[in-house]
Amino acid sequence: DAGVIQSPRHEVTEMGQEVTLRCKPISGHNSLFWYRQTMMRGLELLIYFNNNVPIDDSGMPEDRFSAKMPNASFSTLKIQPSEPRDSAVYFCASRGQTWQANEKLFFGSGTQLSVL
Amino acid sequence: AQSVTQLDSQVPVFEEAPVELRCNYSSSVSVYLFWYVQYPNQGLQLLLKYLSGSTLVKGINGFEAEFNKSQTSFHLRKPSVHISDTAEYFCAVLKAAGNKLTFGGGTRVLVKP
Repeated sequence: DAGVIQSPRHEVTEMGQEVTLRCKPISGHNSLFWYRQTMMRGLELLIYFNNNVPIDDSGMPEDRFSAKMPNASFSTLKIQPSEPRDSAVYFCASRGQTWQANEKLFFGSGTQLSVL
Repeated sequence: AQSVTQLDSQVPVFEEAPVELRCNYSSSVSVYLFWYVQYPNQGLQLLLKYLSGSTLVKGINGFEAEFNKSQTSFHLRKPSVHISDTAEYFCAVLKAAGNKLTFGGGTRVLVKP
């Protein structure tokens, strides 16, 4: 299995531009999470989906952020317009059906976003 | 809501010395506890987890953690570290039957030769 795949690995953009981050979860996993990591705030959960449906988006900073999961194998996190304070590493993670003994959260390698 | 506090932001340690990373949590309900490791430029990987049963949990790479309910702690230990253990370590808590994994601020471990 290729694991959770995120693209791009690095993104550098100018303030005001639209940014789209992509994630392909592990096949068969039905929950998908978007996290943001910064030095100041650590790891923050932005939003998570269960069976392609957004369950909790209370961590999304503001209306400039939006996330979609059109099908079980693809999710996007969009920032429009982007601002320098959005600079961070954005992680996507997925997991299987339940939090049983052998289940765990699988993380992608992250997207390093720099907004100039 | 649950929260996680990692008391040490950085821990320098010499190779082959023991290390302990402290984690305390707060929650009004039963929780599951996790330790994740993040190597440079990588995503997080699960080291170990406590769901129920024995309070001493053994994980990968020689790490272990002990769940202490009365002290609401889940400290991570390794008796002898290697250079390759240089990484950032995150404690996390999940409300039992919940979905939101809440992470602590992380502890950077720097193993020196």
